Amino acid sequence: QQPVQSPQAVILREGEDAVINCSSSKALYSVHWYRQKHGEAPVFLMILLKGGEQKGHEKISASFNEKKQQSSLYLTASQLSYSGTYFCGTPMNYGGSQGNLIFGKGTKLSVKP
Amino acid sequence: NAGVTQTPKFRILKIGQSMTLQCAQDMNHNYMYWYRQDPGMGLKLIYYSVGAGITDKGEVPNGYNVSRSTTEDFPLRLELAAPSQTSVYFCASSRLAVSSYEQYFGPGTRLTVT
Repeated sequence: QQPVQSPQAVILREGEDAVINCSSSKALYSVHWYRQKHGEAPVFLMILLKGGEQKGHEKISASFNEKKQQSSLYLTASQLSYSGTYFCGTPMNYGGSQGNLIFGKGTKLSVKP
Repeated sequence: NAGVTQTPKFRILKIGQSMTLQCAQDMNHNYMYWYRQDPGMGLKLIYYSVGAGITDKGEVPNGYNVSRSTTEDFPLRLELAAPSQTSVYFCASSRLAVSSYEQYFGPGTRLTVT
């Protein structure tokens, strides 16, 4: 029940946009996004709760389509600092307050000057 | 606040040896977690705790043990290390259930078993 992320990797030039997708085979209560730079710990970006909320973090925003059981992360006008691996995480139990996260395998984003 | 701290940063073990990975947080978080990260595989949950004295297994608990005697500390014990346990280990904490709250990760421990 690991969420599936696509693409696996993407290379951008500074200023270009990118979309990273995360989809699940089961109903979702929430979707979590983290970014991990090489050799560092994952860092929280945002949580999206059911209801189709769009959240934003700097020039990074995300949407959550509960019906389609998927979330998309939008990186606008990418900067060099956006490089890293992006992970989505989904709770193991729908609606469960005790639900731990299952993480996707990650999308490696490289931004070139 | 130091956040989540882990020691050691790096360790090399021989097959069959044992060791404890230390994790501490100073944010008074109830929930704590241990993950392992293998290249290209994302994060896998080993064990978690919802409070002092309460622990439970995650996805990949075999070969590991945990204890949580205080809110701050959540050590991970590896018994009889095997090459399959070569990985990067991350400890994390969250104020309440992670399904609705962000996790804060420690810097990680890179473990090699040879």
